[in-house]
Amino acid sequence: AAGVIQSPRHLIKEKRETATLKCYPIPRHDTVYWYQQGPGQDPQFLISFYEKMQSDKGSIPDRFSAQQFSDYHSELNMSSLELGDSALYFCASSLELAGGHYEQYFGPGTRLTVT
Amino acid sequence: AQSVTQPDIHITVSEGASLELRCNYSYGATPYLFWYVQSPGQGLQLLLKYFSGDTLVQGIKGFEAEFKRSQSSFNLRKPTVHWSDAAEYFCAVGAYSGAGSYQLTFGKGTKLSVIP
Repeated sequence: AAGVIQSPRHLIKEKRETATLKCYPIPRHDTVYWYQQGPGQDPQFLISFYEKMQSDKGSIPDRFSAQQFSDYHSELNMSSLELGDSALYFCASSLELAGGHYEQYFGPGTRLTVT
Repeated sequence: AQSVTQPDIHITVSEGASLELRCNYSYGATPYLFWYVQSPGQGLQLLLKYFSGDTLVQGIKGFEAEFKRSQSSFNLRKPTVHWSDAAEYFCAVGAYSGAGSYQLTFGKGTKLSVIP
């Protein structure tokens, strides 16, 4: 079965640089989520998109922005990187099932290291 | 706002023994509850979910979980642990957060070690 694809899998940047992370959701899934997981931490919700529109916003820094494109893939853009941005960034996608149920499926993550 | 508590940071069990990982949630409405498993450096894999109905839910890899509204709990169980179950386990509660979006709030996770 198709899964969520994230690229790149690993990224090393220096402070104050920019980074772009990409996410390709499972086909027919209409919602994309971004989460940040710091070392030894639980995943924290950043932002979500439904049908290419921002749906919800969590603890996403102002230095970060994201969008979902017409083919449903999403990109997370991170500027003025700080050491504290080093983390595993997950993308997840979901599809609403009958009865309002849903499941979020996570990609393998992009490990960002800021030096 | 919703929250999840996993009281056990680290649990060690012997291979072949039974397992129970605890999860307590706080949410104002009927919760959507999930258990995910994460191997080191890997993504999150959905083990099982509860939306409504039967309070005992079956998942993949022989896991099950029981929803107890009176205790605000959703504990994960497995009758016989295998060495390959060693991983970190996250309990999560999902809440509708906007058009088509259901935000997950995770617990801090429980790291499971399995000894031969």
